[in-house]
Order: sequence, then C-alpha cells, then structure tokens
Amino acid sequence: AQKVTQAQTEISVVEKEDVTLDCVYETRDTTYYLFWYKQPPSGELVFLIRRNSFDEQNEISGRYSWNFQKSTSSFNFTITASQVVDSAVYFCALSEAQRGGGNKLTFGTGTQLKVEL
Amino acid sequence: KAGVTQTPRYLIKTRGQQVTLSCSPISGHRSVSWYQQTPGQGLQFLFEYFSETQRNKGNFPGRFSGRQFSNSRSEMNVSTLELGDSALYLCASSYVPENTEAFFGQGTRLTVV
Repeated sequence: AQKVTQAQTEISVVEKEDVTLDCVYETRDTTYYLFWYKQPPSGELVFLIRRNSFDEQNEISGRYSWNFQKSTSSFNFTITASQVVDSAVYFCALSEAQRGGGNKLTFGTGTQLKVEL
Repeated sequence: KAGVTQTPRYLIKTRGQQVTLSCSPISGHRSVSWYQQTPGQGLQFLFEYFSETQRNKGNFPGRFSGRQFSNSRSEMNVSTLELGDSALYLCASSYVPENTEAFFGQGTRLTVV
C-alpha cells in the first residue's frame, strides 16, 4: 500500500531563513509520481511540482527547489530566503498507476509553515 | 482561463439530511476527482470520474456517491449525513486522467449539525 509521511507537523522560521520540508514515501510500484501542493488559508490546493519515478534530477524554480532521492524514498522541498507569503500548509502526495487508469493522490498529513518577520 | 469552481462554498446541514456539491472543472479537463479533508483524517480520496465513468473509488461508505455529466461537470452526493461528514470537500480537475497535475478548487466547507 502506498503511504506518504511528513514528519514535521509545524515549522516556524524567521523571514529570509531557508527551510526544508521533508517527505518520505512508500510504494511497491516502480512507476509512480510525486507531487507537492501548497494550501493557503483560502483552502485551495495549489500545485507546485510533479516528478516521475524515473527522473531523479533535482529541480529549482525560483526560491523553490526539490530533492528527489529514490535510495531513501524521499522527496524534500526547500524554500530559500523564505517570505511571509510562504506561510501555508504544504502537502506531499504520491500517485501510483491505477488498475482502471486515472488519478488517485495519496497525501501526507501536511506541514504547517509559519514565516515570521 | 477560469479555474476549478466549486459550489456552494459553505453549507450547513442537519444530521440525516442529504447534500449535493457541485464542481465545474477547468475548460478542456475531463478528469474530476473529489477529496475530503478533515483535521483528523487529513486529505482522503473519494472518487474520480473521467468521461462520465467512475475510474477509481476510495474507502468511503456507499452514502458517498458522485457522477459526471457530458460537459465534465461533476456532482457528489452524501446521503444520511453524519456529524463526522463535516469537512472541506475539494474537487480537482486534470487534463488527462493518468498521473498529471491536478488543479484544485477552493472547496466546499460542509458543516453537519
């Protein structure tokens, strides 16, 4: 069965600090996809990144970067020079191939990030 | 391009009643998924529809049902509401069904009293 663990429930940092959100996943499939979503107080989940299991290259997008390591089943997310607007709940999610096709995301429990001035 | 639209945004219902929530996906998206978010259980997959067919279903009782129309709009229905059904219900749409990024709506906050 697939599982996503986000051990950090809440992280507080001061603006401009770097912060890393951890994500560890479990799956028996060799083909799978990993995602990160941001949930601001307004409630909608905002897509940040998708990574397939065959692509272990790290990715950087502005202040955001992701480190995917299959050897440790981890897909960590780093925010560089954090800003108050980064305050939100961040979810890591896993999607495996479904028998009938389609999407089914398994989410971690989320990490509440608070960035203070 | 308009995002995923969910209506209503807020709803208060009484135990035993039924409720219907609506989701209009992004134009051109044919896959619609539903998720329930509660403080205790987190985000849980309810079901997914593609071309009016249910492709996947999560571990929820039969009181939870859904459907998709030919224009890809989707509805989910919860019958015989229980207090534990109080949650944020999120709808997500995808361009193609397999493992692509899903775009979420702002959700419907259902309170059962």
